[in-house]
Amino acid sequence: KAGVTQTPRYLIKTRGQQVTLSCSPISGHRSVSWYQQTPGQGLQFLFEYFSETQRNKGNFPGRFSGRQFSNSRSEMNVSTLELGDSALYLCASSLNGYNEQFFGPGTRLTVL
Amino acid sequence: AQSVTQPDIHITVSEGASLELRCNYSYGATPYLFWYVQSPGQGLQLLLKYFSGDTLVQGIKGFEAEFKRSQSSFNLRKPSVHWSDAAEYFCAVGGDTNAGKSTFGDGTTLTVKP
Repeated sequence: KAGVTQTPRYLIKTRGQQVTLSCSPISGHRSVSWYQQTPGQGLQFLFEYFSETQRNKGNFPGRFSGRQFSNSRSEMNVSTLELGDSALYLCASSLNGYNEQFFGPGTRLTVL
Repeated sequence: AQSVTQPDIHITVSEGASLELRCNYSYGATPYLFWYVQSPGQGLQLLLKYFSGDTLVQGIKGFEAEFKRSQSSFNLRKPSVHWSDAAEYFCAVGGDTNAGKSTFGDGTTLTVKP
């Protein structure tokens, strides 16, 4: 069974731009969660989607948004990028959001 | 609110020695507990999980962890460390009251001496 895939793996953007990251969960998994990982703040929960609905949200500004499609694939979008948005963005999938999560390799975003 | 504390930022052990990584959690209901490992530039790999039942759980790569409710702990152990175990280890807590959200500790970096 294929694992969680994330594209692209690396991104370089400048302040003020926007970015879209993509995540394909493990087949059969309907829950997709997004996390931000930085050296200073560690792993922080952004949001979770299940059946195309956002069920849970962390403490991030509205510039961070996401969506989920009918095939469970998910995208997250960050608008008006700031230097502090530079991070490893990790996607995790699980069967229903209450099981163990399986993580993708992450997207490394650098904001210049 | 849920939280996880990993008291040791960095641990160094000799190859072949035993290992114990500490984890304390706070969760208002029955916790689901996890240990993950992360190599540089990689995603997180699940080592083991605890939902209920037997408090000693076995995982991959020879790791085990013991859930102690009275101490709010879920320590990770391995009897004999291999050089390939060098990585960062994260303890996490979730549960049935917080969809899709795990709260992670700050991680423990393991260095293995030859």
